[in-house]
Amino acid sequence: KQEVTQIPAALSVPEGENLVLNCSFTDSAIYNLQWFRQDPGKGLTSLLLIQSSQREQTSGRLNASLDKSSGRSTLYIAASQPGDSATYLCSSPNTNAGKSTFGDGTTLTVKP
Amino acid sequence: GAVVSQHPSRVICKSGTSVKIECRSLDFQATTMFWYRQFPKQSLMLMATSNEGSKATYEQGVEKDKFLINHASLTLSTLTVTSAHPEDSSFYICSAPDVYNEQFFGPGTRLTVL
Repeated sequence: KQEVTQIPAALSVPEGENLVLNCSFTDSAIYNLQWFRQDPGKGLTSLLLIQSSQREQTSGRLNASLDKSSGRSTLYIAASQPGDSATYLCSSPNTNAGKSTFGDGTTLTVKP
Repeated sequence: GAVVSQHPSRVICKSGTSVKIECRSLDFQATTMFWYRQFPKQSLMLMATSNEGSKATYEQGVEKDKFLINHASLTLSTLTVTSAHPEDSSFYICSAPDVYNEQFFGPGTRLTVL
């Protein structure tokens, strides 16, 4: 059974700082890995999807990497802004279009 | 990206009533959809997998007679909370994968049972 762990559980940084969020998974036979953000009381917004054959994906100030052999993914946020404050979740499905296992998330606070 | 909608966004009901929540994929077809519930400051807990044209698959510990799921078309899945009680109060979220297996989530439904 896949287990997904996210470290740290919470992170507070001053505006402008670069930061890294970590996601580790126990079963390296993943189909893909997806990063989301969730604002309080809202649904999840997809940030980046990395297919199992890829090593990284970039979107604006966000860069996600995937290392299947070590069971790790990182989400790098450059030049953080207060609007980046949210909970960030990573997940991986057990099969193609299968159900996903989620980490508990990292709650990020970016202080002005 | 693809869009998934949920309706209603909020519902307040009396104990013992049934509540139906709709999940729609607006610009893509989804043979599979997923229903989650989320308690405050906790991660998502998968309740069931909704399969178009067949029975839903429920996770261990989730009562299928309590949480009825119907996936009648390629763009619509419904979750009905039957005989709701205060302990069913939660945030319910659905998701659907597109052809690239990227999951898209609805905005969620806040259920409060009085």
